[in-house]
Amino acid sequence: AQSVTQLDSHVSVSEGTPVLLRCNYSSSYSPSLFWYVQHPNKGLQLLLKYTSAATLVKGINGFEAEFKKSETSFHLTKPSAHMSDAAEYFCVVSEAGTYKYIFGTGTRLKVLA
Amino acid sequence: NAGVTQTPKFQVLKTGQSMTLQCAQDMNHEYMSWYRQDPGMGLRLIHYSVGAGITDQGEVPNGYNVSRSTTEDFPLRLLSAAPSQTSVYFCASSYGETGNTIYFGEGSWLTVV
Repeated sequence: AQSVTQLDSHVSVSEGTPVLLRCNYSSSYSPSLFWYVQHPNKGLQLLLKYTSAATLVKGINGFEAEFKKSETSFHLTKPSAHMSDAAEYFCVVSEAGTYKYIFGTGTRLKVLA
Repeated sequence: NAGVTQTPKFQVLKTGQSMTLQCAQDMNHEYMSWYRQDPGMGLRLIHYSVGAGITDQGEVPNGYNVSRSTTEDFPLRLLSAAPSQTSVYFCASSYGETGNTIYFGEGSWLTVV
């Protein structure tokens, strides 16, 4: 069965410092993995996705994530945080051959001036 | 390009009332789904559909009905609203194959009093 764990419910960083949002997954078969961002009172927007191509995936707004099969992780990073990055971030796993997307419980990112 | 459109955006219901949340997409997506978002719980799948005339239950289907008479529309019905259904509801769609991006509507804020 698929599952996804976001290891931190809240992360605070100072503007201009690196961002690390952690995600571990469990999947029986080749998973597809996604990161979505949700700004307050808005829908979810795709940041990036991994679908068995390159293990380092680059997304929008300077975010990237690395798929590490041995560690079953898909952590999201950004070299330098911006105030506009303050939002909630969701890691999502989907298993090959299914129509189901399993969401993590979310990490709320706070960016301090 | 409208994408996924949900209505209404806000609704207050009394316990026992019924209502329908509307969802329409104009991307000819096979897969459509409804999620509810509650604090600290991420997004949980209510019902989904893989094509017109085909629906299935997700993780939290009780108290909700769906139908899919056309590719474009996927309404969610609350038959007898309960306070536990107070939540934010998101409709989403994607092409059928696993690994495709899910596109979300802007959300519907529902309060049951």
